[in-house]
Amino acid sequence: DADVTQTPRNRITKTGKRIMLECSQTKGHDRMYWYRQDPGLGLRLIYYSFDVKDINKGEISDGYSVSRQAQAKFSLSLESAIPNQTALYFCATSDPLDALDTQYFGPGTRLTVL
Amino acid sequence: AQTVTQSQPEMSVQEAETVTLSCTYDTSENNYYLFWYKQPPSRQMILVIRQEAYKQQNATENRFSVNFQKAAKSFSLKISDSQLGDTAMYFCAFTGAGSYQLTFGKGTKLSVIP
Repeated sequence: DADVTQTPRNRITKTGKRIMLECSQTKGHDRMYWYRQDPGLGLRLIYYSFDVKDINKGEISDGYSVSRQAQAKFSLSLESAIPNQTALYFCATSDPLDALDTQYFGPGTRLTVL
Repeated sequence: AQTVTQSQPEMSVQEAETVTLSCTYDTSENNYYLFWYKQPPSRQMILVIRQEAYKQQNATENRFSVNFQKAAKSFSLKISDSQLGDTAMYFCAFTGAGSYQLTFGKGTKLSVIP
């Protein structure tokens, strides 16, 4: 089984709808991240969480919110989706005991906002 | 702020040949970590190799190796004996020691030709 899973893998929604993307991990890592990937722009950090009680905004947090329900679960919400939030979304995890703090990614969720 | 530049948007290589992907970065930090991730058509982000800046020895993982030139702020990836399964987008990424944030380049699309 995959260490980092994301649901759904693909989602099409309409402008103004609320949508939640979910991430679960079995790696036992404390740190979790949400990124979005746009063509030609690489990955950009939306939010990150170092533990259940520690949530921080990343580079592009406007229009998004997150919830860390447990060490293993980190959800990303779009309260009112807009077309420019159409992108590929990745969850990642890392272990602070790893000297390089290497991030491991889930399979991604492709979101289309019409 | 750190920046990561991948100057080759697309490259191709014949199967079994060797190819080198370029990456340069800009930082004022002395200690940091560098990564190469691979994103095949399945869109999964897969860690290929990682390097600690204070280690002189270049990292190697099977057919993948890096040429890390700290003074030049260069971190190129060499793929030996290229295989069809190496066809993917390759992203170079940087993080400062003790930092949470990965900064990604825009990627290089590598095609391995039979």
